[in-house]
Amino acid sequence: DIQMTQSPSTLSASVGDRVTITCRASQSIINWLAWYQQKPGKAPKLLIYKASSLESGVPSRFSGSGSGTEFSLTISSLQPDDFATYYCQQYNNYFTWTFGQGTKVEIK
Amino acid sequence: EVQLLESGGGSVQPGGSLRLSCAASGFTFSSYAMNWVRQAPGKGLEWVSSLSGSGGSTYYADFVKGRFTISRDNSKNTLYVQMNSLRVEDTAVYYCAKSRTGIADAFDIWGQGTMVTVSS
Repeated sequence: DIQMTQSPSTLSASVGDRVTITCRASQSIINWLAWYQQKPGKAPKLLIYKASSLESGVPSRFSGSGSGTEFSLTISSLQPDDFATYYCQQYNNYFTWTFGQGTKVEIK
Repeated sequence: EVQLLESGGGSVQPGGSLRLSCAASGFTFSSYAMNWVRQAPGKGLEWVSSLSGSGGSTYYADFVKGRFTISRDNSKNTLYVQMNSLRVEDTAVYYCAKSRTGIADAFDIWGQGTMVTVSS
């Protein structure tokens, strides 16, 4: 099974900061990677699919990059609404879907 | 408006059964694969099961194989998961989610979740 490892687990930042979250796959997933945002008590929200494609309606301050086993989610200028937990997810042709353990972005 | 609404959660004793439902609206339900994802209290997201648009292909996480059965009724725009032999560790919020395009894809629409508690 493919394992997904996110870092850091917690990130403290201020409004306006540029923040980057990393996700590493245990084997190549090409670019079959998504990023989700989840706020307490709410369902996850898709931000990025296929490693770098921005989901419709998601602000352009969110961007994704990477391929193979190393991926990142960047928020170019952190806004108050962005304090949340972020998850990466791999989806591949082996019909298993694996999430990373999550990264909590909190106010510094 | 595209919407998913789960129901059927509740409390059950270990070894018991529950059937969750997910009513879909606002899109052509039969054209999309559907999925169940769960989240134990205070923990991360965990994929549970997926089903093709026709219902002909099903996929399960190892920890539910043989205990959970995913299905759909495209005439009722509804997704189901039958959960048998429930364990304490199955306690979680269960979300249904729509695949963005094909079955091997990200999940673009999520329901609000339904809580399942397995306890004696």
